[in-house]
Amino acid sequence: DGGITQSPKYLFRKEGQNVTLSCEQNLNHDAMYWYRQDPGQGLRLIYYSQIVNDFQKGDIAEGYSVSREKKESFPLTVTSAQKNPTAFYLCASRSRGGRHEQFFGPGTRLTVL
Amino acid sequence: GENVEQHPSTLSVQEGDSAVIKCTYSDSASNYFPWYKQELGKRPQLIIDIRSNVGEKKDQRIAVTLNKTAKHFSLHITETQPEDSAVYFCAAGGGNQFYFGTGTSLTVIP
Repeated sequence: DGGITQSPKYLFRKEGQNVTLSCEQNLNHDAMYWYRQDPGQGLRLIYYSQIVNDFQKGDIAEGYSVSREKKESFPLTVTSAQKNPTAFYLCASRSRGGRHEQFFGPGTRLTVL
Repeated sequence: GENVEQHPSTLSVQEGDSAVIKCTYSDSASNYFPWYKQELGKRPQLIIDIRSNVGEKKDQRIAVTLNKTAKHFSLHITETQPEDSAVYFCAAGGGNQFYFGTGTSLTVIP
C-alpha cells in the first residue's frame, strides 16, 4: 500500500487540547496533503505542501496547523480552535513530476470526548 | 475553485449487472480525473484515472469516460461482483490540488 503511514490509528482528545497526527512517507514524494473525511461529505483538503518548508491552506484550514521540516514528514496539529474536530483524517502524497496519482495513508480517526 | 458533484449517493445493483456513477466539474482548467475505491475503515485506493486529452479509458471491468465540453465524467463497472461493494469517489484537478466528490456507496447484491 505504498509506503505512507499514519499514526495513531485512533486518537481521543478532550475539548481544549491540541493533538498532533503523524504522517510519514518513504516514497520520495515531494507533495503531501491532509484531508478530512466526514460522512456524506467526501474528502476536503486541509493543507498541502509541494516542497520542504512550504505549505498552503486548503479549503478548511481554520483550526489546523502543519509543518514540513523534512521531505518524509508532514504532521498535522488539530488545535483547540477547531470547533468540530471529530473526523477521519487522511494523509496523501504524490510525485510532483509525471503522474498525478495520490497515495493515501491508512488514516487516523480522531474523536473528541 | 473547483466544484465536483457526484451522483448517485447510493447505488444497489444485482451481481452481474452494470453500475454507473457520474460526476460533473466546474473548472475547465482541470485536466486529471481519478476514481478511488474506499472500503469501510480503509484508505482510498486509485482504481482508474483519465487525463483531459483522452475520452475513454478501460481496465478490465472498469471504464471511465470524459466529456470535456459538458464537464462530466463517469465510471462504469460491468459484471459487478460482491467485492465491488464499497464507496467510490471521483475527483478533478491538476497541478497542485484535487477536489473530491461526495462519494457513492455501491452495494452489489449476490
